[in-house]
Amino acid sequence: GAVVSQHPSWVICKSGTSVKIECRSLDFQATTMFWYRQFPKQSLMLMATSNEGSKATYEQGVEKDKFLINHASLTLSTLTVTSAHPEDSSFYICSPTSRSGLYEQYFGPGTRLTVT
Amino acid sequence: GENVEQHPSTLSVQEGDSAVIKCTYSDSASNYFPWYKQELGKGPQLIIDIRSNVGEKKDQRIAVTLNKTAKHFSLHITETQPEDSAVYFCAASIRGTGNQFYFGTGTSLTVIP
Repeated sequence: GAVVSQHPSWVICKSGTSVKIECRSLDFQATTMFWYRQFPKQSLMLMATSNEGSKATYEQGVEKDKFLINHASLTLSTLTVTSAHPEDSSFYICSPTSRSGLYEQYFGPGTRLTVT
Repeated sequence: GENVEQHPSTLSVQEGDSAVIKCTYSDSASNYFPWYKQELGKGPQLIIDIRSNVGEKKDQRIAVTLNKTAKHFSLHITETQPEDSAVYFCAASIRGTGNQFYFGTGTSLTVIP
């Protein structure tokens, strides 16, 4: 399967600060990136979809000014949680995919964010 | 939009027994159905998938069946082992890269040694 990395794997930050999460697709070109959030014992919730070089499309209820997504290259996308609050504590997972005809969707290892 | 339901939410089996997880979907346009295994603190891993032109697919101890008419698909794990213990998610998608995947609510499988 595809190799996807996320950094950091876990982060603790204070309320009001911003956190940037990086997602890299190491062996294919990610023309589309999905960002998910997963709360404990729950399924993956799609936050936003971004195509390389374009603005991200956010799901209903996800604040675009709070969760900034940058997908400037085919191998790197970033999610920045701005002015984080304790309720933003969650497991964030990226999922790159390609327009080359692949069905498959692979996931990064996730980033555990804890806001104190 | 697509709605994927998954049952059961929890499942405990004795080591060596089989485990079956079932999912239903609502959008008849969906044509790709992957299954993911997620271990604690890790991202989901694709374990098997099936496309709508196939009724069954098998990979060693894991198999997936698809009934397009009834809009349901199932994951079958035979000869379960303790390392199979994890949360399993089904998903449905419409062919075409970049299309959203719709996930089930997950099944927590525990294999008792």
